[in-house]
Amino acid sequence: AIQMTQSPSSLSASVGDRVTITCRASQAIRNDLGWYQQKPGKAPKLLIYGASSLQSGVPSRFSGSGSGTDFTLTISSLQPEDFATYYCLQDYNYPLTFGGGTKVEIK
Amino acid sequence: EVQLVESGGGLVQPGGSLRLSCAASGFTLSDHYMDWVRQAPGKGLEWVARTRAKANGYTTEYAASVKGRFTLSRDDSQNSLYLLMSSLKTEDTAVYYCARVLVYGDCAAFDYWGQGTLVTVSS
Repeated sequence: AIQMTQSPSSLSASVGDRVTITCRASQAIRNDLGWYQQKPGKAPKLLIYGASSLQSGVPSRFSGSGSGTDFTLTISSLQPEDFATYYCLQDYNYPLTFGGGTKVEIK
Repeated sequence: EVQLVESGGGLVQPGGSLRLSCAASGFTLSDHYMDWVRQAPGKGLEWVARTRAKANGYTTEYAASVKGRFTLSRDDSQNSLYLLMSSLKTEDTAVYYCARVLVYGDCAAFDYWGQGTLVTVSS
């Protein structure tokens, strides 16, 4: 199975900060990667698909980049509603695998 | 409006069985791949299973941890998805989410999720 290594596992940031989360695949996965946001007690929400395509309705401060093995989720200016846990997911082959998650907390 | 509503979770003893349901509305179930994803208490997300769309023959894929124990089925006439779980283990304890799959070219992503249903396997 493809291993998805997410870093950092947690971070503290302030409103307005630029935040970057990375995900590294154990083998090349083209651009078959999505990013999800999950708030406590809620289902995950799709932010980015195809590594860099913004899901409809998601604010433009979220962006994704990368291809092959290295991927990045960037929040250009952190807002109060962005404090959550973020996961990457590879859909290149089975089994689909998630990264371990990055918890974004208030500084 | 697309909605997914899971039901059927609860407390079950190790070795027991449980059937989860996912009622879909706002779209035609047969046109979509559908997946189950689970999350153990305080842990990350784990993909469980996938059923492809009618156009792809309703074929299925399973995670190794559940293969042979879990069976995914669907009733498009009822717009419902099911996950029959048998030989349950304590490590199957989790919130189970059904999710609709957005297919774009060769790639896919989960564009809609249900609210989840909790399965607790304990004696």
